[in-house]
Amino acid sequence: DIVLTQSPDSLAVSLGERATINCKSSQSVFYSSNNNNYLAWYQQKPGQPPKLLIYGASTRDSGVPDRFSGSGSGTDFALTISSLQAEDVAVYYCQQYYKSPPWTFGQGTKVEIK
Amino acid sequence: EVQLVESGGGLLKPGGSLRLSCAASGISVTDAWMSWVRQAPGKGLEWVGRIKSESAGGKIEYAAPVKGRFTVSRDESKNTVFLQMNSLKIEDTAIYYCTREGKGFGNFDLWGQGTLVTVSS
Repeated sequence: DIVLTQSPDSLAVSLGERATINCKSSQSVFYSSNNNNYLAWYQQKPGQPPKLLIYGASTRDSGVPDRFSGSGSGTDFALTISSLQAEDVAVYYCQQYYKSPPWTFGQGTKVEIK
Repeated sequence: EVQLVESGGGLLKPGGSLRLSCAASGISVTDAWMSWVRQAPGKGLEWVGRIKSESAGGKIEYAAPVKGRFTVSRDESKNTVFLQMNSLKIEDTAIYYCTREGKGFGNFDLWGQGTLVTVSS
């Protein structure tokens, strides 16, 4: 199974500042035949189900604010919140969906306000 | 409104059985690739299993920890997906989310609110 390791486990960022979460995969999730990375990011607020933010490593889902961006390819990925807002306090997960199940998630990164 | 609503969770003893339901509205569970994802209390997310759309052959796949004990199915007439859970273990305790695989399949663009399953002696 593909293992995803996120770093850090938690981070505290001042309002308006940048937050970056990293996700490293145990094997490449890049599919050369269609030039796609099979990596998604989710946001989960307390008491709520996760919400899809990013898929294909860098494509924002509909309605997701443009302060959220995804980058990376192959085995190394990042989610960046360009200007942290109070409503962005949450746990963030990366997830791979390369070729076939089992789909796996990173362990999560908790983002708080400093 | 597009939504998924889970039901059927509860408290039961190890070795017991339970069937979870996921009623869909605004989408067809026959035309969608549907997955179950669980989250143990205070822990991360774990994919459990899925059923592909009918047009994709309806193949069903499971995660290793539940294979042979859990069964995913659907009822077109009720527009509902099910998760039959047998031989439950304490480690199956979790919130179970019904999800739709979207945006190229394998990622989850629609989630229910979840239903809590607690397995305890």
